[in-house]
Amino acid sequence: DIQMTQSPSSMSVSLGDTVTITCRASQDVGIYVNWFQQKPGKSPRRMIYRATNLADGVPSRFSGSRSGSDYSLTISSLESEDVADYHCLQYDEYPYTFGAGTKLELK
Amino acid sequence: QVQLQQSGAELVKPGTSVKLSCKASGYTFTSNHMNWIKQTTGQGLEWIGIINPGSGGTSYNVKFKGKATLTVDKSSSTAFMQLSSLTPEDSAVYYCARGYSGDYWGQGVMVTVSS
Repeated sequence: DIQMTQSPSSMSVSLGDTVTITCRASQDVGIYVNWFQQKPGKSPRRMIYRATNLADGVPSRFSGSRSGSDYSLTISSLESEDVADYHCLQYDEYPYTFGAGTKLELK
Repeated sequence: QVQLQQSGAELVKPGTSVKLSCKASGYTFTSNHMNWIKQTTGQGLEWIGIINPGSGGTSYNVKFKGKATLTVDKSSSTAFMQLSSLTPEDSAVYYCARGYSGDYWGQGVMVTVSS
């Protein structure tokens, strides 16, 4: 199975910060990486698809990038509503696999 | 608008089975695959498998083969997942999610396995 190594597992952040979360794929997954936001008691929400594409309705302060096997989600000028858990997903190959998640917490 | 409405929470006994449902609306049900995902506090998100509602074809995570069975009812635009031989380790929140990309998710259903 493809492993998605996500880091950091948690991050203490302040409003207005620029935050970057990274997933490293254990083998080539091409562009087939998504990023999801999840708030307590809610379903995951797709934020980025195919590594760099902003999903419908997602604020432009969110962006996705790829460098080789490293995939990153960046949140610019963090707002309070962005404090949540974030998960990456590779869907290039079965079984699809998720990263272990990153929890953002306010300082 | 696309909606995936999942069935309600389940409290089930060890060794039994449970069948979860995911009713789709707002799009052509047979045009998009449907994923099922398990979420636990300790293991995060785990992909269980995917079904093509048009053909009924499935792919499973080997970890869940024999545990989960995915089916659909095209007449009601509903996807189902049956979980069998339940143990406490199957206690989790289970989601359905549309398409290869997981663009829309159901609200999740909590399954608790306890005697």
